[in-house]
Amino acid sequence: ETGVTQSPTHLIKTRGQQVTLRCSSQSGHNTVSWYQQALGQGPQFIFQYYREEENGRGNFPPRFSGLQFPNYSSELNVNALELDDSALYLCASSLGTGGEQYFGPGTRLTVT
Amino acid sequence: DQQVKQNSPSLSVQEGRISILNCDYTNSMFDYFLWYKKYPAEGPTFLISISSIKDKNEDGRFTVFLNKSAKHLSLHIVPSQPGDSAVYFCAASGASGTYKYIFGTGTRLKVLA
Repeated sequence: ETGVTQSPTHLIKTRGQQVTLRCSSQSGHNTVSWYQQALGQGPQFIFQYYREEENGRGNFPPRFSGLQFPNYSSELNVNALELDDSALYLCASSLGTGGEQYFGPGTRLTVT
Repeated sequence: DQQVKQNSPSLSVQEGRISILNCDYTNSMFDYFLWYKKYPAEGPTFLISISSIKDKNEDGRFTVFLNKSAKHLSLHIVPSQPGDSAVYFCAASGASGTYKYIFGTGTRLKVLA
């Protein structure tokens, strides 16, 4: 059974740029959730995708957008990057929207 | 508005003793609670969960207790081992099928050999 994988591991971008982060869900899981973890904080929910549709969204602006593919992998896109977007971005997959979420190792994004 | 609070940023415990990590929540609509463990450079790892219809759930060395009237849950680790040293997050979610986990800020546990 393959766990949740994320790419890239680290990324450095300049303010105003755009970034795409990728996530492959655990085999058999059809739901992907994205979280942002700032330094010293717990993960904060960004949004969830279930069967290629957005299933719910946290308190993040529209410049945070996502996509889920037929194989249940997912992308997180962030436009017009701001310095405060610097964080660890975590992807979690689950079987169904209410299932226990299993996390990937995260992508560390630094915006300069 | 912090709906899930872990008021102890850190905890040190001797190997073999009990570790007790605490978590408080404010939203009475939460009905499912989880604990995750996080090592540096890794994602959070699911540890144990509890539904609001129970007040205790046990899995090996790990036991979670839920006190709904106090809106409080705790994680007990007995006996503590050096490999348990990590950051522990509690998380809560609403009614079954609700997607969103609300996390606390974490407690760093250090188990001393």
